[in-house]
Amino acid sequence: NAGVTQTPKFQVLKTGQSMTLQCAQDMNHEYMSWYRQDPGMGLRLIHYSVGAGITDQGEVPNGYNVSRSTTEDFPLRLLSAAPSQTSVYFCASSYKRGGPGNEQFFGPGTRLTVL
Amino acid sequence: AQSVTQPDIHITVSEGASLELRCNYSYGATPYLFWYVQSPGQGLQLLLKYFSGDTLVQGIKGFEAEFKRSQSSFNLRKPSVHWSDAAEYFCAVKGGGNKLTFGTGTQLKVEL
Repeated sequence: NAGVTQTPKFQVLKTGQSMTLQCAQDMNHEYMSWYRQDPGMGLRLIHYSVGAGITDQGEVPNGYNVSRSTTEDFPLRLLSAAPSQTSVYFCASSYKRGGPGNEQFFGPGTRLTVL
Repeated sequence: AQSVTQPDIHITVSEGASLELRCNYSYGATPYLFWYVQSPGQGLQLLLKYFSGDTLVQGIKGFEAEFKRSQSSFNLRKPSVHWSDAAEYFCAVKGGGNKLTFGTGTQLKVEL
């Protein structure tokens, strides 16, 4: 299993540009989440999904869109990038069956810089 | 709402010394608690978790943590630190759903 994969690893955008961060998992996990990591702030939840076709907002959703058309993929879209979105983005997934004690598996991250 | 506090931003220990990283949580019911480690430029790896039963849990790489309900704490410990343990450590809490709330992290430096 490849686990959770993210592309690209690095990206530089100009203010106002759009882009999609890709996330895929091959573990048949129902739950998928996006987090951003900023210095001194830990990881904060952006959006999450409990299954294909179902998404919801996390702690910091503004400026980001998500969709979940398949179990495997959970892309994160920035429609108009802003410097405040410079961060490291992590995708994570876990089983729904078994409850909240399930481990979330994290991807390697995407480092995004918005100029 | 659930929350996690990691009061130590940076900790430096000598190789071979013992380690304790502090974590305090806020949640109304019995929480699900996790410790993750992040090496530079890497994603997060689960060290251990607690959600019921024995309050002392063992994890990978020789780490353990103790859940103390009366103190709302879940401190991470290791008897003898190795240079390869240098990393950032995150405590996290999960409530009734599947949303993890992370602390701000503790950066561990190991002096040789």
